Amino acid sequence: QKEVEQDPGPLSVPEGAIVSLNCTYSNSAFQYFMWYRQYSRKGPELLMYTYSSGNKEDGRFTAQVDKSSKYISLFIRDSQPSDSATYLCAIGMEYGNKLVFGAGTILRVKS
Amino acid sequence: DGGITQSPKYLFRKEGQNVTLSCEQNLNHDAMYWYRQDPGQGLRLIYYSQIVNDFQKGDIAEGYSVSREKKESFPLTVTSAQKNPTAFYLCASSIMSSDHRRFFGPGTRLTVL
Repeated sequence: QKEVEQDPGPLSVPEGAIVSLNCTYSNSAFQYFMWYRQYSRKGPELLMYTYSSGNKEDGRFTAQVDKSSKYISLFIRDSQPSDSATYLCAIGMEYGNKLVFGAGTILRVKS
Repeated sequence: DGGITQSPKYLFRKEGQNVTLSCEQNLNHDAMYWYRQDPGQGLRLIYYSQIVNDFQKGDIAEGYSVSREKKESFPLTVTSAQKNPTAFYLCASSIMSSDHRRFFGPGTRLTVL
């Protein structure tokens, strides 16, 4: 079983839709949660970082963490064609610097 | 502007050849990392360095080597012992090794001819 599971997509939505991207993880020792956006042939860019259960909002982006279910989500409101990219979740251990990345979900927002 | 630079953007290697990928950062970060990205897989850690003149193997270090002689620089050498080196290579840094937030460079695409 992989430590982090992420649906590869592609997920195709119309412009203006609400997008939900998800990851599940298997080890309760993971305590730090990140979402990265990666455009084609570019390096990942950190979008959201959180370490507690609940919601964290930044503009059109909301990161949600449910530690009891070992499930994290990224919501994108009013999606734009410029949001078309691969979204990677990354999860870190409480101790040490181990960071595990999901394989990424490809998102396509159609205008 | 602060950031991480990687060069070259594209690199072609012949069988049996060693190649070196450059990574430079001016963020004054202590820790630096090398990841490999293959289609359908999460980023996999090759090597990391918490401080100058120190580095540790990651999950897939075989066939790779690194050095950290300066805080700003963390070059990666892909040796001929790496049997399947074609991949997208990403360099990253963090303020310190205990900080999970990684800041990535633009990547180098390595292709074996």
